[in-house]
Amino acid sequence: ETVMTQSPATLSGSPGERATLSCRASQSVSSKLAWYQQKPGQAPRLLIYGASTRATGIPARFSGSGSGTEFTLTVSSLQSEDFAVYYCQQYDNWPLTFGPGTKVDIK
Amino acid sequence: EVQLVESGGVVVQPGGSLRLSCVASGFIFDDFTMYWVRQTPGKGLEWVSLISWNGGSSYYADSVKGRFTISRDNSKSSLYLQMNSLRSEDSALYYCAKDSSKDSGSFSRWGRGTLVTVSS
Repeated sequence: ETVMTQSPATLSGSPGERATLSCRASQSVSSKLAWYQQKPGQAPRLLIYGASTRATGIPARFSGSGSGTEFTLTVSSLQSEDFAVYYCQQYDNWPLTFGPGTKVDIK
Repeated sequence: EVQLVESGGVVVQPGGSLRLSCVASGFIFDDFTMYWVRQTPGKGLEWVSLISWNGGSSYYADSVKGRFTISRDNSKSSLYLQMNSLRSEDSALYYCAKDSSKDSGSFSRWGRGTLVTVSS
């Protein structure tokens, strides 16, 4: 099983700040990496797939990078609606697996 | 607008059975692989099962293999999960999810989930 790890577990930021979230895979997942945002009481929402392609309707302040085992989600300027939990997920190897999440909260 | 609406979650005793349903709208249902994903506070997000566009292929997480069965009825734009021999560790919020691009393995839309509680 491909184990996904995320860091930090919690990131405290202020509106307008840049946020950088990391995701690491225990083995290569090529570019088959997705990022999701989840707010309390809501289902996850797809932000990024293919490691760097924004999903439909996702603002340009969200960007993804990386390949192989190391990936990054960057929010260029945090907005109030961005405070949430972010998960990475690999879909290169079976079974499909998720990271434990990074909570982005307000400093 | 793409919508996925799950139902069927209840409180059930260990060893019991349950059938979850998901009704889809807003897209061509039989063009896409569909999934069940569950979430618990302790274990986070866990992929449970997938079924190909025509139902010809299905896959399961080891934790549910032999106990859960996924199926679909394309004429009703509906996805199902038959859950047997339920255990306490199956307690979770179960989401139905749509593939991002037919059969990529990422999930472009999720339902709001249906809560399954396995308890005596």
